[in-house]
Amino acid sequence: DTAVSQTPKYLVTQMGNDKSIKCEQNLGHDTMYWYKQDSKKFLKIMFSYNNKELIINETVPNRFSPKSPDKAHLNLHINSLELGDSAVYFCASSPLVGSVGEQFFGPGTRLTVL
Amino acid sequence: GENVEQHPSTLSVQEGDSAVIKCTYSDSASNYFPWYKQELGKGPQLIIDIRSNVGEKKDQRIAVTLNKTAKHFSLHITETQPEDSAVYFCAALSGAGSYQLTFGKGTKLSVIP
Repeated sequence: DTAVSQTPKYLVTQMGNDKSIKCEQNLGHDTMYWYKQDSKKFLKIMFSYNNKELIINETVPNRFSPKSPDKAHLNLHINSLELGDSAVYFCASSPLVGSVGEQFFGPGTRLTVL
Repeated sequence: GENVEQHPSTLSVQEGDSAVIKCTYSDSASNYFPWYKQELGKGPQLIIDIRSNVGEKKDQRIAVTLNKTAKHFSLHITETQPEDSAVYFCAALSGAGSYQLTFGKGTKLSVIP
């Protein structure tokens, strides 16, 4: 009965590799997000999708590419990983784009680039 | 864009005391202000929120106040318990066509038994 799930929970990889993080929500929400939380705990939005359509794309290197096969899934693919990509990545969802209301967060994926 | 400042960055209180965390925001069009609690190894979870047409909201031991004129809002936790220990984030949602939450940098609250 998990609301927002992410896989994997931990990801350790070498510089230069390509990796993906998957996110699924079973809440029936229209909007999904990716956030990055750095070592100082600062949470910053990366992308937002509404009904499979990209609506927010913050200043993120184009090595990061979100993909939404349907409105319940938002995956994050990262090419040519760099040391600075090490962080915890959170997926979240909310009922409506721009809505005043709760964003539900997943448990996070801790990415470590060696 | 919106800028949210949060203070203090760390806060230690004795069990049973009150804790107050303060945030300021820059965009006068912001209309929604949630507070999230993040426990170790978990994702942030909403604990309380307030809309711009309300000055105060309370839920058991937790309350939030909003001063739109001064553009600041605060989280108050009374009768703190060890399980309140976590990182707390304030956030603001701009009402001017932006669809994103801007978060403060977080406050690590430690409740000492």
